[in-house]
Amino acid sequence: DQQVKQNSPSLSVQEGRISILNCDYTNSMFDYFLWYKKYPAEGPTFLISISSIKDKNEDGRFTVFLNKSAKHLSLHIVPSQPGDSAVYFCAVSLLGGGTSYGKLTFGQGTILTVHP
Amino acid sequence: DVKVTQSSRYLVKRTGEKVFLECVQDMDHENMFWYRQDPGLGLRLIYFSYDVKMKEKGDIPEGYSVSREKKERFSLILESASTNQTSMYLCASRRDQPQHFGDGTRLSIL
Repeated sequence: DQQVKQNSPSLSVQEGRISILNCDYTNSMFDYFLWYKKYPAEGPTFLISISSIKDKNEDGRFTVFLNKSAKHLSLHIVPSQPGDSAVYFCAVSLLGGGTSYGKLTFGQGTILTVHP
Repeated sequence: DVKVTQSSRYLVKRTGEKVFLECVQDMDHENMFWYRQDPGLGLRLIYFSYDVKMKEKGDIPEGYSVSREKKERFSLILESASTNQTSMYLCASRRDQPQHFGDGTRLSIL
């Protein structure tokens, strides 16, 4: 049973427009949320994160929104650039103690293609 | 900058072989992780370790084991490789969030 779902396997966007990537999770106990970007033949790189005490976090062109009641996370990229073309993974975590501290559960990924 | 190094980028092995994947991090991180990435399935956690000689099963540990004899090194072992273990294997480490990943090992089992 998948705890984290990215329902769109792919997304195609024109350069300069907004890209919106979505992620849904099932367990309301998750309290820390991350987005990673992955280029082919490279490992995932951390992009942006948000804790459950916030509903928005912004870093340059990237903004993450958290809707806890809907258990929904989204990543907005504005404006989109061709270099943003990659696979984007959302990940969720529990910041509480214990040996599962910091363990990440990932979504399936969304392939973003930004056309010039 | 955090550096997580995986010993091989590409590896081809035969079914039944014992396979070792090595991962080294240079930031004195307590926590290290092994994932596999498969199309449509995202990253799935195989094993993780929160200290030397400590290990915890992840979501898909069957057919794998791990070793953490030194803080900087975390090894993934395929006891008897099978074709369904053909995948991209990713190692990560962290002290606090986020996890930092290596570039992966693409393993093919023939």
